[in-house]
Amino acid sequence: ETGVTQTPRHLVMGMTNKKSLKCEQHLGHNAMYWYKQSAKKPLELMFVYNFKEQTENNSVPSRFSPECPNSSHLFLHLHTLQPEDSALYLCASSQVGNSMNTEAFFGQGTRLTVV
Amino acid sequence: AQSVAQPEDQVNVAEGNPLTVKCTYSVSGNPYLFWYVQYPNRGLQFLLKYITGDNLVKGSYGFEAEFNKSQTSFHLKKPSALVSDSALYFCAVRDRGSQAGTALIFGKGTTLSVSS
Repeated sequence: ETGVTQTPRHLVMGMTNKKSLKCEQHLGHNAMYWYKQSAKKPLELMFVYNFKEQTENNSVPSRFSPECPNSSHLFLHLHTLQPEDSALYLCASSQVGNSMNTEAFFGQGTRLTVV
Repeated sequence: AQSVAQPEDQVNVAEGNPLTVKCTYSVSGNPYLFWYVQYPNRGLQFLLKYITGDNLVKGSYGFEAEFNKSQTSFHLKKPSALVSDSALYFCAVRDRGSQAGTALIFGKGTTLSVSS
């Protein structure tokens, strides 16, 4: 709907598993973001990529590892997660350098459950 | 540092009545301001933004918001609420002077419940 597609929509993983979340944007944007949304907590910014370069890492544990191979794709690699990492993970994109169109567009999110 | 406050966890209104969802912000410079809506198990949908110009901004689905610099507020309003407006609403800010590509900072969200 918004031009940002996230897969999978739902993921259940054990604490010893390794999995990856994928995000793809079809809007021609050059910045991409990962946010974490937990119940009853504000949206937490995790990572920011501008022009494929990571420009922000908000003290995210190393069990979360982002990858941005090009300006259209963003991954979040997960390993040895904890149950408290269960949340909705949202990807967003925006256009850097265009102040009039500075809003971010979000994907539908991946609902992650760690068991 | 940038921050956004949404003082109400929940707002309840009757269908047909006007609604207001409050937002105040704090930035070191001038702000870009945004409202987003989230329906259950969905991502955030952009509603409207204030960049420059008129303080009253009109957006999607009949929503509008008024930028008030002296009160550092950007309250979301709609003249006549619909049951289908029931959702979670987020206010967001970015400092106009911040580095290009700096991410939006979001409030904690306000649940709007419209009763028939």
